Amino acid sequence: KQEVTQIPAALSVPEGENLVLNCSFTDSAIYNLQWFRQDPGKGLTSLLLIQSSQREQTSGRLNASLDKSSGRSTLYIAASQPGDSATYLCAVSIKAAGNKLTFGGGTRVLVKP
Amino acid sequence: DGGITQSPKYLFRKEGQNVTLSCEQNLNHDAMYWYRQDPGQGLRLIYYSQIVNDFQKGDIAEGYSVSREKKESFPLTVTSAQKNPTAFYLCASRALKGDYYYNEQFFGPGTRLTVL
Repeated sequence: KQEVTQIPAALSVPEGENLVLNCSFTDSAIYNLQWFRQDPGKGLTSLLLIQSSQREQTSGRLNASLDKSSGRSTLYIAASQPGDSATYLCAVSIKAAGNKLTFGGGTRVLVKP
Repeated sequence: DGGITQSPKYLFRKEGQNVTLSCEQNLNHDAMYWYRQDPGQGLRLIYYSQIVNDFQKGDIAEGYSVSREKKESFPLTVTSAQKNPTAFYLCASRALKGDYYYNEQFFGPGTRLTVL
């Protein structure tokens, strides 16, 4: 059974510092991995999608890497801003259940001005 | 604007009542999903559908029911059999075209259900 873990559960950094968020998964047989942002009481906003054949994806200040063999992904957010404060979730797509997403518990990020 | 809408945003249920959460998408996506989110936990799959008039149970389907009469709509009913329904419910959809295993999922804004 696929399990996804995100460590740490919470993170607080001063504005301008780079953020590093970790995601690990137990079964490397994934189709892709998605990083999401969730603001309090809101839905999920997709940030980056990395296919299983890719090693990284970039969008603006965001960069996500994928090491499928070791079951790890890292989301880097450069030069953090207070507006980056949110919960970040990673999820892997697997073949079972209509390619459902299996989610980690999330990392709650606070960027202090 | 293309996207996924969920209604209502907040829903209150009395003990023993059934309630229905709405999910509509205009993305022309074939697959739709319902997830449940509890505080401090990741999302868990309740039901999913890949085609009209067909749906499958996810990991935590007990106490829930769905229908898929139209491609754009996938309502979720929380029945009285669901013992702990207070949670945040999220609907998602995904295209099933091309190499569809690799397509991303898009999410709606969610419905917060509270049992009184």
